[in-house]
Amino acid sequence: GAGVSQTPSNKVTEKGKYVELRCDPISGHTALYWYRQSLGQGPEFLIYFQGTGAADDSGLPNDRFFAVRPEGSVSTLKIQRTERGDSAVYLCASSLGYGALYNEQFFGPGTRLTVL
Amino acid sequence: DAKTTQPTSMDCAEGRAANLPCNHSTISGNEYVYWYRQIHSQGPQYIIHGLKNNETNEMASLIITEDRKSSTLILPHATLRDTAVYYCIVSEFNNDMRFGAGTRLTVKP
Repeated sequence: GAGVSQTPSNKVTEKGKYVELRCDPISGHTALYWYRQSLGQGPEFLIYFQGTGAADDSGLPNDRFFAVRPEGSVSTLKIQRTERGDSAVYLCASSLGYGALYNEQFFGPGTRLTVL
Repeated sequence: DAKTTQPTSMDCAEGRAANLPCNHSTISGNEYVYWYRQIHSQGPQYIIHGLKNNETNEMASLIITEDRKSSTLILPHATLRDTAVYYCIVSEFNNDMRFGAGTRLTVKP
């Protein structure tokens, strides 16, 4: 079956521009996660959705970052007024549900964002 | 802050067992130990998780010490395709994964 997909795979933008990154989770997965990974580091948690609501957005670095999941499936990560420091690979993951019973997060291939 | 400590890098000979240690001395009673790995240019991949007991699946074995302050991931017969960064994470629920820098395992022929 289809895994988690992310589009675009690569995005190059200029400083100050607005970008949207899309994540299509595995069908039926109610939990969705966004991470950011800089070169040489592990993934950094950004936000977690259970259904349509953001259950934990404590990892969002500032108010330029926002994510939505209006119908409880596809999610969009939105970054306003991009800065060069936002350059990273943005990873999306999904899982069947919430809690240790649903132990596995399935990751997408990521979107590589480059801010010039 | 990551709650785990792992060596930065390790080497292993192809066909030998790879033993990857992880210290999690501040783990709480309800927190599980999770292992993921990330092959170059791919998203992380779940390997195994456990609470108290040792666990085994088709990919690996997880040995957790009795006091739960450390664990070891064992790849019984490492292959070149096991070259990756391995992350040890402790989490009460699977929704708040805090990855550290992980261990870069290089399997050599």
